Amino acid sequence: EAGVAQSPRYKIIEKRQSVAFWCNPISGHATLYWYQQILGQGPKLLIQFQNNGVVDDSQLPKDRFSAERLKGVDSTLKIQPAKLEDSAVYLCASSLGAGEAIAGELFFGEGSRLTVL
Amino acid sequence: KQEVTQIPAALSVPEGENLVLNCSFTDSAIYNLQWFRQDPGKGLTSLLLIQSSQREQTSGRLNASLDKSSGRSTLYIAASQPGDSATYLCAVMGNQFYFGTGTSLTVIP
Repeated sequence: EAGVAQSPRYKIIEKRQSVAFWCNPISGHATLYWYQQILGQGPKLLIQFQNNGVVDDSQLPKDRFSAERLKGVDSTLKIQPAKLEDSAVYLCASSLGAGEAIAGELFFGEGSRLTVL
Repeated sequence: KQEVTQIPAALSVPEGENLVLNCSFTDSAIYNLQWFRQDPGKGLTSLLLIQSSQREQTSGRLNASLDKSSGRSTLYIAASQPGDSATYLCAVMGNQFYFGTGTSLTVIP
């Protein structure tokens, strides 16, 4: 079974530039998550999709971050314009469902490491 | 809001030692708890998932326990090896996943 795919693995940009990350979840997984992980910290949820609808985006800085999951499968996370404090690893994860014990196991991709100079 | 704490933040042990990592959470209304391993520069790899109705799960040298009433979980690693060196994170699932900050484990050959 293929895992969660993410690209690019690494990206270096200047502040105020834009960047986009792509994620393809495990086939059949309805729930997709984007997390931000700053060095030495646990992952912080940015946005959670159930199929192509947003379940939770309360911690997404909407003035500069956007995300979409148009056909309920793969997803794109965009940052525009980037700030120095956006330097982090952006992790995509998926699960069969959410809020249910059986469906809740979370699987992660390898992450996209962003450096903003 | 759910808060997840992992103690210690870092741990260094000699090879072959058995060890316990701790995870505590403030809200016992969870669906499940999951332990992950993260190697430097990598994503998180799922180790064990314990559903709220279960008390423990085992996989090879790993055993995870869950006590919902006290808001605690432990990850027991038997006969540690240098390849076990990594950061271990726990996450509890309510309406979303809440993560601890992890325990960085170093196993010294």
